[in-house]
Amino acid sequence: GQNIDQPTEMTATEGAIVQINCTYQTSGFNGLFWYQQHAGEAPTFLSYNVLDGLEEKGRFSSFLSRSKGYSYLLLKELQMKDSASYLCAVMDSNYQLIWGAGTKLIIKP
Amino acid sequence: GAVVSQHPSWVICKSGTSVKIECRSLDFQATTMFWYRQFPKQSLMLMATSNEGSKATYEQGVEKDKFLINHASLTLSTLTVTSAHPEDSSFYICSGRDREYSPLHFGNGTRLTVT
Repeated sequence: GQNIDQPTEMTATEGAIVQINCTYQTSGFNGLFWYQQHAGEAPTFLSYNVLDGLEEKGRFSSFLSRSKGYSYLLLKELQMKDSASYLCAVMDSNYQLIWGAGTKLIIKP
Repeated sequence: GAVVSQHPSWVICKSGTSVKIECRSLDFQATTMFWYRQFPKQSLMLMATSNEGSKATYEQGVEKDKFLINHASLTLSTLTVTSAHPEDSSFYICSGRDREYSPLHFGNGTRLTVT
């Protein structure tokens, strides 16, 4: 079957760095997406990785290793507004998105 | 960036009535639209996938006669919850993409409460 694993919850301190991991087993691979979802709101797109390596976008970076079925989202200089759920999603061979359950990130002052 | 407009943002209706939710892609052509449902503190659950001009493909367990999806144009898709019941109360979110490799762009969601 298809499976996406990510931690349920993480806590970090304002100004610090946090890494949210995602491992996947899917039928084919056409890219991995990270989304941010604040409570009560719809998800917003953060990043897309289809090749191995690190993609940097401001305070957020996303890494992919296809051979390991592994990705992480790195958030630097954490701000209180970064408190949200972070969703990992993999596009399978049928171009359908398989969603992880999300990681709730709690930022403490 | 790509914008998806979803209306209404919230709706309260009586049990047995029908509710229509609209989803419009404002600056791109959404060849594929996805409808999700999300219960509090739970993951996104895909309800159905629709391609413009075709019948929607429903996920297992989603009643196609209860959740009517229309994707008549490249910029508009609608979800109608027919004969709504309290257990249909949820957060409904649409999303669209223009190509298979494109990221999904989400509407702001519709919070449905059925009394």
